Amino acid sequence: SQTIHQWPATLVQPVGSPLSLECTVEGTSNPNLYWYRQAAGRGLQLLFYSVGIGQISSEVPQNLSASRPQDRQFILSSKKLLLSDSGFYLCAWTRRDRYNEQFFGPGTRLTVL
Amino acid sequence: GENVEQHPSTLSVQEGDSAVIKCTYSDSASNYFPWYKQELGKRPQLIIDIRSNVGEKKDQRIAVTLNKTAKHFSLHITETQPEDSAVYFCAASPSGAGSYQLTFGKGTKLSVIP
Repeated sequence: SQTIHQWPATLVQPVGSPLSLECTVEGTSNPNLYWYRQAAGRGLQLLFYSVGIGQISSEVPQNLSASRPQDRQFILSSKKLLLSDSGFYLCAWTRRDRYNEQFFGPGTRLTVL
Repeated sequence: GENVEQHPSTLSVQEGDSAVIKCTYSDSASNYFPWYKQELGKRPQLIIDIRSNVGEKKDQRIAVTLNKTAKHFSLHITETQPEDSAVYFCAASPSGAGSYQLTFGKGTKLSVIP
């Protein structure tokens, strides 16, 4: 069966510090991968998605970036965090042949102070 | 692009009563409509979905209905229990190559009062 991992689970970072969040999927090949952000009490904002290694689509302008160095690895990064980057970051995946059905990882709760 | 409106934003029901959450979508090409349940501090979990070739789908106490003509779909929870308390998100997605995204509604916070 498929499993999606995210780490770290929680993170507290000062403003201006760098960020690296990692997401990995097990038990499948060629997944579509997604990064979402959820502010406290709010909905899901799609940040990036990837349909293959090195292929990244960005949905909103921001100081974040994403990379997909391996088929089942998706990384979210920032060079300098802002207070507004605080939130719950969720990675999701879909099977290549059932691209609608998204399954979410456990999330990373990021607090920027 | 697709736009999904979800109502109500909050809903309180007595335990045992039914709850209904409604969503409308704008893109007539959308043909996949999932519902997610998110408990406090947890990830959204897919609880039920429907594709446009059917009008209704049931799974125990939850059901989803779809009206393609009116472009709206609804989640129905019967015999609500305290563990149904959560935020529920609807979403819509078109089919076909290149349709990689779900467009989510803003969520409904359901509270089931014991």
